[in-house]
Parts: sequence; structure tokens; C-alpha cells
Amino acid sequence: EPEVTQTPSHQVTQMGQEVILRCVPISNHLYFYWYRQILGQKVEFLVSFYNNEISEKSEIFDDQFSVERPDGSNFTLKIRSTKLEDSAMYFCASTGTSAYNEQFFGPGTRLTVL
Amino acid sequence: AQSVTQLGSHVSVSEGALVLLRCNYSSSVPPYLFWYVQYPNQGLQLLLKYTSAATLVKGINGFEAEFKKSETSFHLTKPSAHMSDAAEYFCAVTLTAGNKLTFGGGTRVLVKP
Repeated sequence: EPEVTQTPSHQVTQMGQEVILRCVPISNHLYFYWYRQILGQKVEFLVSFYNNEISEKSEIFDDQFSVERPDGSNFTLKIRSTKLEDSAMYFCASTGTSAYNEQFFGPGTRLTVL
Repeated sequence: AQSVTQLGSHVSVSEGALVLLRCNYSSSVPPYLFWYVQYPNQGLQLLLKYTSAATLVKGINGFEAEFKKSETSFHLTKPSAHMSDAAEYFCAVTLTAGNKLTFGGGTRVLVKP
């Protein structure tokens, strides 16, 4: 069964450093998403990506964040200068064009900013 | 705009008892509704989805949910809890294909032997 994969599973970084979180969506999917979940809180939408551009972004997704689909299979989230409050679990998701609109989630990357 | 409210951040049930998790939504148009489950240290797994077909939706692991437009609700039930049902459950809504999911706050289920 096809699945969304994410690497690394856990990333520890120092405040102010850049991090890149990687995702490989399901191969025939067209819409890609990043969500985050701060420990003990709800899952929050960050950004959606379609046709090689951002289709929607939340207030959280400020200039420190960027997304890219560099090679037609990977989908990355970059945080330019990490802050303590960026510590969270980051989930990648993808969906096709089905009217059922089911999003398939990856296992997540736990980002810890020290 | 859409929003989701899950009543009860924690629910404790005995093994074999009914599981009932409440979800109410707010949406300006007919929504697509989902329940996801998150086991400890894992990602989100789809339990079931409502897409404007049958109002009673059956999902995996014996769960089902009923869409009630008049009550703007999509409560999740399972007749008989199993120890393996201990997890966090999230209700989510979206309005159109390709749009973001808006999640409720989640309900953590504890199953007592």
C-alpha cells in the first residue's frame, strides 16, 4: 500500500539554525500539505502546495518558512532560523484529486529546538 | 470558514463498553468530515470519512460515525472498546477538494481493563 514517508524521524537543532524536513508524498498525488502539532495541542495547518506553488498558508507560515518540490518526488519544509517555539511534530500529507479528499499523513518529524 | 469542536479532551472507558466521542463542526457549505486516530508516537491514520453519501459511515476497527446536519455533529462510536483503542482521536473538516483540514482539539481515549 502506498504511503507518505518523512525524514528524519527526529531532528534536534540549535536555535537560529536552519532545518529542512523532507517528505515523499504518494506518487500520483497532486496536493501536498504540512501540518504541525505542538506537544499536547491540536494539529495545525501550515501550508498547502499544488501545481508547484503555495495554494494556501496559515498565519504560522511566516517568512521563516518555505516549501519546495525540488525534483517531482520530494516535498520539503525549510525553517530558516529556528526558534524554541518551532519545537513540534511536523506532519506531511498528500491527496489526489478525488472528491473524497482524503489526506494521507506521514509518520511525522519531531523537531526539537534547543 | 470552518471550525471543529471536540467535547472532552479525555475519555475513559472500560473494556467492552461503548465508546462515544463527540464532534461538532461549523461550516458555511456542506463539509467533508473525517475522523483520524493517532497512536502513541505515530502519525495520523484515517478511521472514516463523510462525503455526502450515506449519513452513517462505517470505518476501520469497528468504528462508525453519523452525520447529523441539523445538529452539525459527526460523533464517533464503537459498541465495544478494546484495549487497542487507546489512542488520541481527531475530528477534522474540509470544504472542498484540495483544501486544508481543520482539526478539533483531539480526544484521548483511555481503556480500562
